[in-house]
Amino acid sequence: AQSVTQLDSHVSVSEGTPVLLRCNYSSSYSPSLFWYVQHPNKGLQLLLKYTSAATLVKGINGFEAEFKKSETSFHLTKPSAHMSDAAEYFCVVREREYGNKLVFGAGTILRVKS
Amino acid sequence: GAGVSQTPSNKVTEKGKYVELRCDPISGHTALYWYRQSLGQGPEFLIYFQGTGAADDSGLPNDRFFAVRPEGSVSTLKIQRTERGDSAVYLCASSLGTSGSNEQFFGPGTRLTVL
Repeated sequence: AQSVTQLDSHVSVSEGTPVLLRCNYSSSYSPSLFWYVQHPNKGLQLLLKYTSAATLVKGINGFEAEFKKSETSFHLTKPSAHMSDAAEYFCVVREREYGNKLVFGAGTILRVKS
Repeated sequence: GAGVSQTPSNKVTEKGKYVELRCDPISGHTALYWYRQSLGQGPEFLIYFQGTGAADDSGLPNDRFFAVRPEGSVSTLKIQRTERGDSAVYLCASSLGTSGSNEQFFGPGTRLTVL
């Protein structure tokens, strides 16, 4: 079975400071991992994905994530937060052996203070 | 180009009524997915289609829920005898195919409220 745990339901940072959104996954097989972002009243947008290539993945808007198999983690980071980063972020796992459905974490709401 | 579109954007209905939610995928995308997002939670998988057939419907909560994709493009999610617990945002996504490299593109969702 596959599952995702996002360790923080809310994260608050000041503009210009680093962002860390934590995610742990459970997977019986080789997973693909994703981070999606959801701005208010907008659709989900893919930030980045890991599909068994390089373990450090770079995405859009300066975000990146590192796949650590030994820790079963896929934390999302950004060196410097911008006001426009305020949104809800979802860590997602997909196992090819379980078809193509995505399994979402509960989400982390990122607040950016000026 | 046009993204995934969903209609209506909002639907308010009374308990016990029947509703239909529509999804128009990106042109040329063969795979189509339905998810449900309840308040304060991440989206949960309902069903996905490869072409016209339902390849995996394991997420449908019960037999009140049904989805079709008769021509391999537009899909309709149908909910019979709605209950208050069905209130949620229903999301549709599409992808070019179902291999690992194919990104799922999401629509803006339909917010369903059952009174």
